[in-house]
Amino acid sequence: EPEVTQTPSHQVTQMGQEVILRCVPISNHLYFYWYRQILGQKVEFLVSFYNNEISEKSEIFDDQFSVERPDGSNFTLKIRSTKLEDSAMYFCASRLEADQPQHFGDGTRLSIL
Amino acid sequence: EDKVVQSPLSLVVHEGDTVTLNCSYEVTNFRSLLWYKQEKKAPTFLFMLTSSGIEKKSGRLSSILDKKELFSILNITATQTGDSAVYLCAGVTSYGKLTFGQGTILTVHP
Repeated sequence: EPEVTQTPSHQVTQMGQEVILRCVPISNHLYFYWYRQILGQKVEFLVSFYNNEISEKSEIFDDQFSVERPDGSNFTLKIRSTKLEDSAMYFCASRLEADQPQHFGDGTRLSIL
Repeated sequence: EDKVVQSPLSLVVHEGDTVTLNCSYEVTNFRSLLWYKQEKKAPTFLFMLTSSGIEKKSGRLSSILDKKELFSILNITATQTGDSAVYLCAGVTSYGKLTFGQGTILTVHP
């Protein structure tokens, strides 16, 4: 069964450094999402992306965050200058059409030191 | 602000028991409600509910949505140890944004 893949599974970065989290959505899917889950808290929406542009973003998704679909398969989340509070599990998700469920990757655990 | 609340937060049962997990929601531009099972990693999709009163079933799991009361339940009958997981519900907006509840931790003892 097709799946969403995320790399790396764990990323350790010094505070202030840039980090790029990578996702390969399911191949024919059209809608892409990033979520994060701080340890012990709810899964939170960050951003949605469709037709090569952001369709919605949350208050968390400030100027330090950006997303890109650099080619036909990858979908990336960049954090420009990481903070301690960015430590979380980051999930990528994709869906085929507007009335289809989102399918999630296994996540990248980001640890900021 | 969109809000999804799940109850109970945790549940411990024995194999063979039946459990009911609850989810209430207040989501602007509500489109549907999703249930996921989360074990160690990715939330895995269980059900998508769009219409009120229509039960969806998959094996021992079933779920239903009440759009008037803004509520959904997930039932698991004849629980097994493999059902132990965090069960998440999420309200979906027309733009596809998911608002998650805090999850119900289900532990099934042999």
